[in-house]
Amino acid sequence: SQQGEEDPQALSIQEGENATMNCSYKTSINNLQWYRQNSGRGLVHLILIRSNEREKHSGRLRVTLDTSKKSSSLLITASRAADTASYFCATVIYNQGGKLIFGQGTELSVKP
Amino acid sequence: KAGVTQTPRYLIKTRGQQVTLSCSPISGHRSVSWYQQTPGQGLQFLFEYFSETQRNKGNFPGRFSGRQFSNSRSEMNVSTLELGDSALYLCASSPVSPANYGYTFGSGTRLTVV
Repeated sequence: SQQGEEDPQALSIQEGENATMNCSYKTSINNLQWYRQNSGRGLVHLILIRSNEREKHSGRLRVTLDTSKKSSSLLITASRAADTASYFCATVIYNQGGKLIFGQGTELSVKP
Repeated sequence: KAGVTQTPRYLIKTRGQQVTLSCSPISGHRSVSWYQQTPGQGLQFLFEYFSETQRNKGNFPGRFSGRQFSNSRSEMNVSTLELGDSALYLCASSPVSPANYGYTFGSGTRLTVV
């Protein structure tokens, strides 16, 4: 079964607005990663946050991690039409090598 | 530098046949993982190889197998194909395992079983 649960499943916003996606997981993690996928193509790595980190920034992306609640959020600020894609969180569990366990994803639509 | 290359991009096979998919990781990357993506089950881990050794295997039947060569290139094989094997198969690579900075994915092989 999948480790991560994401919400919302779908999100539609206007260009310039912020988009927030949430991810919850079940077991202790080594790190949590966020990926973007355009139209069933390959996944693009966005950001990785380690279990001992609480917040991380990369350009317009901000990721938070709350290990006590086993949850993470991805914030995309000032969204653009080009941000339209599916976003997935993925966890790496301790002692399971490099195995990624994905959530079911959030489909983001940014309207111009 | 070149990204992760998966071949072929598209494949149509008949039930009962077998198929081999190929993945060439980024030069210097020793870890290669495979994932299956379907609308119903989402992204599911198949297996991970590091320096020619299988480190991890997902919950897939024995019809799914893989290997990694000394140059880090990897192949996965599915025997006795079933309709449910139709999916996008993604390969990911990283220098180490687990990756310190995330994984680089290929564009995938879309397999259709008819």
